[in-house]
Amino acid sequence: KAGVTQTPRYLIKTRGQQVTLSCSPISGHRSVSWYQQTPGQGLQFLFEYFSETQRNKGNFPGRFSGRQFSNSRSEMNVSTLELGDSALYLCASSSGTGVVEAFFGQGTRLTVV
Amino acid sequence: GQSLEQPSEVTAVEGAIVQINCTYQTSGFYGLSWYQQHDGGAPTFLSYNALDGLEETGRFSSFLSRSDSYGYLLLQELQMKDSASYFCAPRGSQGNLIFGKGTKLSVKP
Repeated sequence: KAGVTQTPRYLIKTRGQQVTLSCSPISGHRSVSWYQQTPGQGLQFLFEYFSETQRNKGNFPGRFSGRQFSNSRSEMNVSTLELGDSALYLCASSSGTGVVEAFFGQGTRLTVV
Repeated sequence: GQSLEQPSEVTAVEGAIVQINCTYQTSGFYGLSWYQQHDGGAPTFLSYNALDGLEETGRFSSFLSRSDSYGYLLLQELQMKDSASYFCAPRGSQGNLIFGKGTKLSVKP
């Protein structure tokens, strides 16, 4: 079956703009989590959605938001982009919350200039 | 609060054995996962320990001591393809995986 698909793979935005990233989980998976990966901070948890509801949220400012649709696809949005938002954004899907194994997509590489 | 400690880098030679340690502090604890990430790739699941003891999967083994908030990943018969970053990821009371900066393993010939 198809893996986790993230689009776009690469994105360049200007400071102050906003961006929307998309994640399509593995078919049948209802939980989607988002992570930000940077060399300095490693992998940091942004939020988790399950059945269209945000279940958990990490310590990120309100400029970072997300949502999940009825087909389990998820989007995350970052408004008023800052240079420090440049990172690899990874999405992971699992069949439910608290499930042991999460499947990651290849990520979206966001560069803010 | 929560914290996670792993060595930032480890170097070993082909055929050797390497152990990557992980100490964690979380509010609530449901188990410890390990993930591997090659440069430019996505993290992939390696193993999970819910209970104390050793779990073996081929050349890889993972150990957990809940009382010590400590675990390790043991890689045997190292191969060049094992060069990657390795993340321990405890699952806290909220259910999400907690990652850190990971350990970059370099395997030399």
